Amino acid sequence: QSILTQPPSASGTPGQRVTISCSGSSSNIGKNTVYWYQQLAGAAPKLLIYSVNQRPSGVPDRFSGSKSGTSASLAISGLQSEDEAAYFCAAWDDSPNGPGYVFGPGTTVTVL
Amino acid sequence: QVQLVQSGAEVKKPGASVKVSCKTSGYTFSDFYIHWLRQAPGQGLEWMGWINPNSGGRHFPQKFQGRVTMTRDTSVSTVYMELGRLRSDDTAIYFCARELFSGSIDAALYSWGQGTMVTVSS
Repeated sequence: QSILTQPPSASGTPGQRVTISCSGSSSNIGKNTVYWYQQLAGAAPKLLIYSVNQRPSGVPDRFSGSKSGTSASLAISGLQSEDEAAYFCAAWDDSPNGPGYVFGPGTTVTVL
Repeated sequence: QVQLVQSGAEVKKPGASVKVSCKTSGYTFSDFYIHWLRQAPGQGLEWMGWINPNSGGRHFPQKFQGRVTMTRDTSVSTVYMELGRLRSDDTAIYFCARELFSGSIDAALYSWGQGTMVTVSS
């Protein structure tokens, strides 16, 4: 059972905007930054967003991140067929057992 | 360019140990922390800890303490992750990943190895 929660699936047609939510708590998203990863089938994950809303070089500006309180969101605007993938949110969690880097269960995006 | 190349697939029996290597190139090895993560078949990602290639310092979540060892060999720019007392639920793809920024342990994991499948079966 993941500490961060995400919807299992999301979908849209090409060109649409799709938003994926990630819900946490005061020990993780509420006090720490958020990361988003994209994982294509059979591949290693790819960093899409760090520090809530920063994109590494090479990531299209169609991908954007935001955070409010203990929740975060990833938006994909102008959805493209190559965006069909699993998307994971992540954050540091300040648990009593020591800090840990935790992930959401992932959201599979389907391009209709 | 930055590359992380991991060792090949392993099949182990319950109770055994497995050691996975992650050979890096294309950057200054000692400048960037390396993390290890795993992904069970059809499941999400699980973080296993980090190692500082410069000092050898490391940190693991409580779940893996006592069972995981992370080491590095600076002469060949390679980090290693060894997991002991294997169980069937350790069956997963194991990834190494490098931080985006030097000297940082933010866990902005920008460069990844290709993954190593470890199967634990009697």
